[in-house]
Amino acid sequence: EVQLVESGGGLVQPGGSLRLSCAASEFTFSTYWMTWVRQAPGKGLEWVANIKEDGSEMYYLDSVKGRFTMSRDNAKNSLFLQMNSLRAEDTAVYYCARVRAGGGFDPWGQGTLVTVSS
Amino acid sequence: QSVLTQPPSASGTPGQRVTISCSGSSSNIGSNTVNWYQHLPGAAPKLLIYSNNQWPSGVPDRFSGSKSGTSASLAISGLQSEDEADYYCAAWDDSLNGYVFGTGTKVTVL
Repeated sequence: EVQLVESGGGLVQPGGSLRLSCAASEFTFSTYWMTWVRQAPGKGLEWVANIKEDGSEMYYLDSVKGRFTMSRDNAKNSLFLQMNSLRAEDTAVYYCARVRAGGGFDPWGQGTLVTVSS
Repeated sequence: QSVLTQPPSASGTPGQRVTISCSGSSSNIGSNTVNWYQHLPGAAPKLLIYSNNQWPSGVPDRFSGSKSGTSASLAISGLQSEDEADYYCAAWDDSLNGYVFGTGTKVTVL
């Protein structure tokens, strides 16, 4: 069964950094675009970033550009999101998901909670 | 702020048909395909419809999607209690160079 498992969430102070990881299994990770999506408490889904199969292209939500960096290690079937200069408004559950060749994100991981607070 | 607009809520009794609208613009729905997601509380979001009207494996055909111009819609026929969830439309936006989700619609089964 295709599986994505996020880790690395936690409580961090404003201005701090956190690195999220997403471990992929049971599919050829290196042949798929991947994505991060977040959901702030009481809010809707918000796309954060995409990365190409070989890591050569990334796209980011405007509000995280220059602060977040998405990367991947295809040898280890792993996806990462380095988050710097964190703000209170970055508080959310962060999900990683696989980008289907035909469109859409499927499947999704169970999510990891990031709380930015002093 | 989302660029895709959905009604905040929709409801129906078991067996009824419910439709959710998604309004966008020429830079997103007007020029790219639409996907729909179901998000149950405490669970991972699930892809329900991709490329406007296609079903991923395992999704029942009670769910159907359509698109016309800069709008799209999701229909749920034969509404069941387990369909109570939040539903989101989404599409790539060429102007923002990013993926955008709709504002979300909470479906309640009365």
